[in-house]
Amino acid sequence: EPEVTQTPSHQVTQMGQEVILRCVPISNHLYFYWYRQILGQKVEFLVSFYNNEISEKSEIFDDQFSVERPDGSNFTLKIRSTKLEDSAMYFCASSVSGGMGSPLHFGNGTRLTVT
Amino acid sequence: KNEVEQSPQNLTAQEGEFITINCSYSVGISALHWLQQHPGGGIVSLFMLSSGKKKHGRLIATINIQEKHSSLHITASHPRDSAVYICAVSGYSGGGADGLTFGKGTHLIIQP
Repeated sequence: EPEVTQTPSHQVTQMGQEVILRCVPISNHLYFYWYRQILGQKVEFLVSFYNNEISEKSEIFDDQFSVERPDGSNFTLKIRSTKLEDSAMYFCASSVSGGMGSPLHFGNGTRLTVT
Repeated sequence: KNEVEQSPQNLTAQEGEFITINCSYSVGISALHWLQQHPGGGIVSLFMLSSGKKKHGRLIATINIQEKHSSLHITASHPRDSAVYICAVSGYSGGGADGLTFGKGTHLIIQP
């Protein structure tokens, strides 16, 4: 069964550095998402992406964050000037259609640790 | 903004018991999702529903749109069902790529 793959599985970075989290969504999916989960807290929506542009973003997704689909397969989340509070598990997800059209498929996550 | 509440927060049961996890939300939705998160952190989609009832193996999900409430049931529970079960809802937006609003999850432990 096709899967959403995320790399790396674990990233350690120093405060102030930039990180890029990578995701390969399922090939025929059109909607892409990033979510994050701070340890012990609930999952939070960051951003959705469709047709090569941001569709919706949460208040968490400020100028520190950006997303890109640089080619036909990858979907990346860039975090500039990381802060300690950016430490979390970041999940990529994709779906064939948005809204109530189809379920989300999640990757296994990238655990980001900012020291 | 939708508020998603789950109960119970923690549930420990014996193998074979019938399990019910509840979810309520405050604002009308386009769909409700039940997700499973294992200790390693990965998230798996179990159900997406907007009305009625769905069944997959020993799992059953129901939703009452008028009461803004959903339940996830597990019949003949097994230790491998131990996980965090998360309710999440999607709202309405013209673009269709709605971000989900998540509950805090129910931590389920099934003892042999």
